[in-house]
Amino acid sequence: DVKVTQSSRYLVKRTGEKVFLECVQDMDHENMFWYRQDPGLGLRLIYFSYDVKMKEKGDIPEGYSVSREKKERFSLILESASTNQTSMYLCASSPLGRGNTEAFFGQGTRLTVV
Amino acid sequence: EDKVVQSPLSLVVHEGDTVTLNCSYEVTNFRSLLWYKQEKKAPTFLFMLTSSGIEKKSGRLSSILDKKELFSILNITATQTGDSAIYLCAVEEGSGGGADGLTFGKGTHLIIQP
Repeated sequence: DVKVTQSSRYLVKRTGEKVFLECVQDMDHENMFWYRQDPGLGLRLIYFSYDVKMKEKGDIPEGYSVSREKKERFSLILESASTNQTSMYLCASSPLGRGNTEAFFGQGTRLTVV
Repeated sequence: EDKVVQSPLSLVVHEGDTVTLNCSYEVTNFRSLLWYKQEKKAPTFLFMLTSSGIEKKSGRLSSILDKKELFSILNITATQTGDSAIYLCAVEEGSGGGADGLTFGKGTHLIIQP
């Protein structure tokens, strides 16, 4: 089975801290994504990457950055955490290919910024 | 064992047909059930269901939840080729004031043939 593993299930951080959310996938997928999930808003795409060292902004990139130094790992960085970044963060990966729409999700990281 | 099970895993129909996608779940502390449509790279939110028996409707799509039997269905009437996608079901668990996380099913790959 494909595994997308997020490093933490729960995190509590203080306002202004730098926060790293790590995601690792073991299926050699080219595509990786970071979403946040908020009540009533569904999944919103923050950043995605189609290849190593490549990144593209999603719908809500403000306040976030990403890093993809290795194919299997995609990190989401909150440079200076704020309370409005309290949310559930989901990582996903999928293989690159025309018409291939399958994505595998991690279990999520619930981040609370106090 | 999978907590969220979607069926069928794949489905091929002709334009104009009506389809019903199924999602059954088994979780403690059920909070809500969500349906997503995934095309290309980013899943898009369709419905959030929290109460039994109340149909949510958006155009040709509708969904209903049965909390007694622990399942939900997503109906699409008069299907169009643009409905081709992976449909994801996810269940949110939570106790007290916070949610514990999202558990996704593997998705139903729907293909609409002209």
